[in-house]
Amino acid sequence: DVKVTQSSRYLVKRTGEKVFLECVQDMDHENMFWYRQDPGLGLRLIYFSYDVKMKEKGDIPEGYSVSREKKERFSLILESASTNQTSMYLCASSSTGVNTEAFFGQGTRLTVV
Amino acid sequence: AQSVAQPEDQVNVAEGNPLTVKCTYSVSGNPYLFWYVQYPNRGLQFLLKYITGDNLVKGSYGFEAEFNKSQTSFHLKKPSALVSDSALYFCAVRDRAGGGNKLTFGTGTQLKVEL
Repeated sequence: DVKVTQSSRYLVKRTGEKVFLECVQDMDHENMFWYRQDPGLGLRLIYFSYDVKMKEKGDIPEGYSVSREKKERFSLILESASTNQTSMYLCASSSTGVNTEAFFGQGTRLTVV
Repeated sequence: AQSVAQPEDQVNVAEGNPLTVKCTYSVSGNPYLFWYVQYPNRGLQFLLKYITGDNLVKGSYGFEAEFNKSQTSFHLKKPSALVSDSALYFCAVRDRAGGGNKLTFGTGTQLKVEL
């Protein structure tokens, strides 16, 4: 089975802290994604990567950056956490091809206080 | 730009009755369509997808979905609902013409199946 693992299930951080969310997949997928999920808004794409060291902005990249140094790992970085970044963060991966489904991690619920 | 609409925030159905969760989409070309389910405090699980061919797609756990190009819809269905089907359901779309990997999700529909 495809496995996408996010490093934390729950995180509590202080306003202004630099926050790292880590994601690892074990299926040699080319594509990796970061979404945030908020009630009533569904999933919104923050960033995605289609290859090592390659990244593209999604719909809501402001306040976030990403890093993909190795194919299996995709990190989301909150440079200076703010309370409006309190959310559920979901990582996903997929193989190349627009007809392929994405596989999701279990999610990280981040609270910024 | 591609988009997905799920017009119902919540759907309630009695166990044993058929269920439908609605989804409409908008793309510039032909779509690839997906349904996912999310149980509380979990990530999303893939249910089924429409790529091409038969308009009725069968997926996991007895779910199926019907692609209707003229109505730009991809409704999720199940002939007989179970209490264990209660969860949050998301429809998603990719635009073939765009050629990109971006997967756009709807806002989700909470399904509640009652005894």
